[in-house]
Amino acid sequence: DSGVTQTPKHLITATGQRVTLRCSPRSGDLSVYWYQQSLDQGLQFLIQYYNGEERAKGNILERFSAQQFPDLHSELNLSSLELGDSALYFCASSVEVFTGELFFGEGSRLTVL
Amino acid sequence: GDSVTQMEGPVTLSEEAFLTINCTYTATGYPSLFWYVQYPGEGLQLLLKATKADDKGSNKGFEATYRKETTSFHLEKGSVQVSDSAVYFCALSNTGNQFYFGTGTSLTVIP
Repeated sequence: DSGVTQTPKHLITATGQRVTLRCSPRSGDLSVYWYQQSLDQGLQFLIQYYNGEERAKGNILERFSAQQFPDLHSELNLSSLELGDSALYFCASSVEVFTGELFFGEGSRLTVL
Repeated sequence: GDSVTQMEGPVTLSEEAFLTINCTYTATGYPSLFWYVQYPGEGLQLLLKATKADDKGSNKGFEATYRKETTSFHLEKGSVQVSDSAVYFCALSNTGNQFYFGTGTSLTVIP
C-alpha cells in the first residue's frame, strides 16, 4: 500500500460526458502528479501541483483540468470525453523535499463508450 | 528537453535467465535515475534508484549503475523468476521534481 488513494477505481461513461477523478496523497506529501497510461502511448505526464499551486504542465488537453485543494487532495476533471480518453489515470505524490521517489496510487480506469 | 529511452518490449525469458533492460537518458545537469515496476493490476512502485554518477541502485536482486559517460542506467538481474513478470519503467528526475518516464518494457518469465 503506497498510501496514495484514488477514486473511483473504475468508471464507464459515454462520449461527451464529464468525469472527476480524485486523489488523496500520502500523509505529509505536498506534491501531486497526474499521469495517463494508455496502451499506445505509455505513461504520459499530465500535470503537477505543489501545495495547492500548479507547478508543471505536461501533455494535458484543454478539455482536462485539475486542482489541488487546501487539504492537499487533488481532482482531475475530464470533459467532453472522447473514445481516445479511455485509459488508466494515475495519481502520484512526493514529499516537499526532493527525495527522488514518487508514490503511485492504483489508478482509475476510465472507459469511454 | 529531458527524456528517457528504454528498450522496446515485450521481453520473454525462461526462469533463471539473465535479464538486461536498456535505458538511456538525455538531461541537463545531474538528474536522479530510477527504475519503477508495475505488476499486473497495480500502480507503479519504485524498484531502485541512483542519485549520482557511478552510484549503483539495487533491490530484490535487480541492479542498475548510473553511467554518466554513456548516459545509461541499464537494469539487470542475474536470475529472473516468474514473479518478476511485470512492466519496468526507467525514469529520471531533474530540478523541480520533474519526472520523465520511458515507455515501459513488458517482461514475461516462463517456468
